[in-house]
Amino acid sequence: DTAVSQTPKYLVTQMGNDKSIKCEQNLGHDTMYWYKQDSKKFLKIMFSYNNKELIINETVPNRFSPKSPDKAHLNLHINSLELGDSAVYFCASSQPAGVNSPLHFGNGTRLTVT
Amino acid sequence: GEDVEQSLFLSVREGDSSVINCTYTDSSSTYLYWYKQEPGAGLQLLTYIFSNMDMKQDQRLTVLLNKKDKHLSLRIADTQTGDSAIYFCAALPLNSGGYQKVTFGTGTKLQVIP
Repeated sequence: DTAVSQTPKYLVTQMGNDKSIKCEQNLGHDTMYWYKQDSKKFLKIMFSYNNKELIINETVPNRFSPKSPDKAHLNLHINSLELGDSAVYFCASSQPAGVNSPLHFGNGTRLTVT
Repeated sequence: GEDVEQSLFLSVREGDSSVINCTYTDSSSTYLYWYKQEPGAGLQLLTYIFSNMDMKQDQRLTVLLNKKDKHLSLRIADTQTGDSAIYFCAALPLNSGGYQKVTFGTGTKLQVIP
């Protein structure tokens, strides 16, 4: 009964490659997010979708492209991977603000770019 | 934007109480959260407090909120080795554009010594 699941858990790839991370939630939430956690454990929001519509788009290189085919799924595609993209990427979901619905996180995808 | 600060490290002996502190800058923050991250896992919501409260207790956890000083603390009573993890404070400002633009603190690594 996993609530927020993301795949793969680990991703090792070379610079210049393109990769995707998938996320699915079965909580019935309307809003989904991608967060990046760097090596110092600092968490920064990247994107958020509400009912398949992009609502938060932080200062992220346009090599990163989120896609939400439906409100239960939010995928992250990364083109031309760079060393600095190495991090743990977390998917999360919640209800929209105004309802106290805390973020529910997946277990993360550790991306290593060599 | 909102800034959330925490001390980076705390070491306590098993059975003692732990107090993890957090400060935030946006006085409009409506909900304040505490999350726990164990190694290799996502963030797990521990507890939260609404801004019109000054204290919330949940079993071994006590959250104190000082709105005037914009200071939040998490007290863990009878700390156990299983409490060893990174603890994140997070704030949701009222003026986040109607969406859950939660800002996370830097995380406090709690080490429990047997």
